[in-house]
Amino acid sequence: QSVLTQPPSVSEAPRQRVTISCSGSSSNIGNNAVNWYQQVPGKAPKLLIYYDDMLPSGASDRFSGSKSGTSASLAISGLQSEDEADYYCAAWDDSLNGPVFGGGTKLTVL
Amino acid sequence: QVQLQESGPGLVKPSQTLSLTCTVSGGSITSGDYYWSWIRQHPGKGLEWIGYIYYTGRTFYNASLKSLVTISVDTSKNQFSLKLSSVTAADTALYYCARGIVAVAGHYFDYWGQGNLVTVSS
Repeated sequence: QSVLTQPPSVSEAPRQRVTISCSGSSSNIGNNAVNWYQQVPGKAPKLLIYYDDMLPSGASDRFSGSKSGTSASLAISGLQSEDEADYYCAAWDDSLNGPVFGGGTKLTVL
Repeated sequence: QVQLQESGPGLVKPSQTLSLTCTVSGGSITSGDYYWSWIRQHPGKGLEWIGYIYYTGRTFYNASLKSLVTISVDTSKNQFSLKLSSVTAADTALYYCARGIVAVAGHYFDYWGQGNLVTVSS
């Protein structure tokens, strides 16, 4: 059971936009920045978004992050087949005194 | 470009100690405010933070694993290591090392190793 809650899967057609939600509590998302990681099958996770909505250098601007209260979202626009991956949200948890992750969301591009 | 590479055995017997090393290249393990981390992923499951170490040797562990985990650093070799004692089949996982940034603004992992699959089996 992950501390942060994500939908197990989402799917959308190419060139469309999809959002992935991440729900937490006041001890993590509500009080700390959220990060998002992309994990392509067979590969290590890759930082996608940090500090709620910041893009790492070189990252595609088709990805964007937002946060409100104890929930966060990752939006992917202009879906491409290469976006098929697992996406994980993460945040520091003040109660656990360490980073916690969501269970991951598998994105399928139809 | 910073690179991290895990190394260690792929098979460990139950009750023994799992030992992995992460070699950092492309930058010094002592530079910057980075926290060198271990994260694992059980087969087909999500990510679990194990702990991290600052180059001075200061460590932070996941409370659920704290009594079994030791993370150490060897700055002369630009490496840090993980030891997990008394392993069981539940410790079978893909183990990643990663560079963590811990700041007032937040915390994230910006570079990851490729992962080292460890199977616990007799």
